[in-house]
Amino acid sequence: KNQVEQSPQSLIILEGKNCTLQCNYTVSPFSNLRWYKQDTGRGPVSLTIMTFSENTKSNGRYTATLDADTKQSSLHITASQLSDSASYICVVSGRGGVIIQGAQKLVFGQGTRLTINP
Amino acid sequence: GAGVSQSPSNKVTEKGKDVELRCDPISGHTALYWYRQSLGQGLEFLIYFQGNSAPDKSGLPSDRFSAERTGGSVSTLTIQRTQQEDSAVYLCASSLARWDTQYFGPGTRLTVL
Repeated sequence: KNQVEQSPQSLIILEGKNCTLQCNYTVSPFSNLRWYKQDTGRGPVSLTIMTFSENTKSNGRYTATLDADTKQSSLHITASQLSDSASYICVVSGRGGVIIQGAQKLVFGQGTRLTINP
Repeated sequence: GAGVSQSPSNKVTEKGKDVELRCDPISGHTALYWYRQSLGQGLEFLIYFQGNSAPDKSGLPSDRFSAERTGGSVSTLTIQRTQQEDSAVYLCASSLARWDTQYFGPGTRLTVL
C-alpha cells in the first residue's frame, strides 16, 4: 500500500533552536518528494522538491534530505523563527502509468505541526 | 503575479443546502486540482482537470460532489445536499503542467450546521 508517514505528529521548540522532521514512505515506483509548509488558514506552499538522484536540497534555513534506498526523508530547520510555526507536509509522487490518487499519483503525509515559542 | 484565489473564504450553510466553491487558478496553468482537508487530517484528493481532457474524478467521495472547469480556467466545486461530514477546508491548486509543482489557494472553510 502506498503510504507516507510523518513524525512527530507535533513538535514544540524554542525560537533559535534547530529541529528535524521525518517522513517515511512506501510509494513505489518513486518519482519525487516535496515538502510543503502550511500556515494556519492558508494553503500549502512548496519548500523543496527532490528527485531520486538528489540527496540534499536547501531553501534558506530549510534543508531536506532524501535516502531513496531506505525511503526516508527529513526536513531540517536551522535557527528557528516564530514564523516557522506551521504544519509541514511531506508529499510523495509516484511514476508510471497507473493512477492511484490523482494525475500525479500523489500521496500526502498527515503533516507535522511545529510550534516555535519565544 | 497573482496566485491561486478561492472564494468565498468562509461558508456556513445548513444541512441539506447546496454550495458552490470557486477557484481561480494562476493564469496559464493547465492543471487544476481540488483537495479537502478535514480538521487534523491530511489533504484528500478530490478531482483533477488537465487542459481539455476528461477530468479525473476518482477522489470524489460521493455523487453529491461535482466540479466544472470552464474555458480551461475558473473552476467551481459543487456540493449538493450538504452533510455535516462535508465540513472541511476545500483547497484548490494549479500547476503549469501535469507534473509540475502545485500552487495552492488559501482555501474555503466550509461549515455545515
